[in-house]
Amino acid sequence: DTGVSQDPRHKITKRGQNVTFRCDPISEHNRLYWYRQTLGQGPEFLTYFQNEAQLEKSRLLSDRFSAERPKGSFSTLEIQRTEQGDSAMYLCASTGMGANVLTFGAGSRLTVL
Amino acid sequence: AQSVSQHNHHVILSEAASLELGCNYSYGGTVNLFWYVQYPGQHLQLLLKYFSGDPLVKGIKGFEAEFIKSKFSFNLRKPSVQWSDTAEYFCAVKGGYQKVTFGTGTKLQVIP
Repeated sequence: DTGVSQDPRHKITKRGQNVTFRCDPISEHNRLYWYRQTLGQGPEFLTYFQNEAQLEKSRLLSDRFSAERPKGSFSTLEIQRTEQGDSAMYLCASTGMGANVLTFGAGSRLTVL
Repeated sequence: AQSVSQHNHHVILSEAASLELGCNYSYGGTVNLFWYVQYPGQHLQLLLKYFSGDPLVKGIKGFEAEFIKSKFSFNLRKPSVQWSDTAEYFCAVKGGYQKVTFGTGTKLQVIP
């Protein structure tokens, strides 16, 4: 068990570019969550998957954001036409069925110039 | 909708001082409650959790928290802090089938 892995750890991009983050959850965990954290704030929920099904999306997730978990294993979070306000730490977490304890990855820090 | 409020944004203590971090939540039904900690340069990790039963729960590194249902509170305590407890602490709540909602966090600085 190597924990939750996120890639890349840090991404610097120019405004208007697209970025994609990847999350590999703990292998036996069927629920996968994406959160966003900005300076001075706690993690804010973005979306979550149970297996390959995306069950909930936050209103924070504008139509520029899309998340997938095609085979119920790893997940990707894509941000199109990035804006400076998208600069944040994007956190991935996973948990097993019926369990409520989130195991977090190290996060992917996005800086939009 | 559920929400979490953490009263202290930044706490500075000397080593051996006692710690209490406040956390209040709002949700009308049964809840699961958590404290997560983020040490400098590390990722978020679970400190302790309450699901049911004894309202006084113990976590790692000597931390404990008490669930007081009538006050919708889940305060974190430690009798004697150490420099290594310097970190950011997040209270979180999960009600029913809701996702986990986090508070804004409390930065704890322990001075040797």
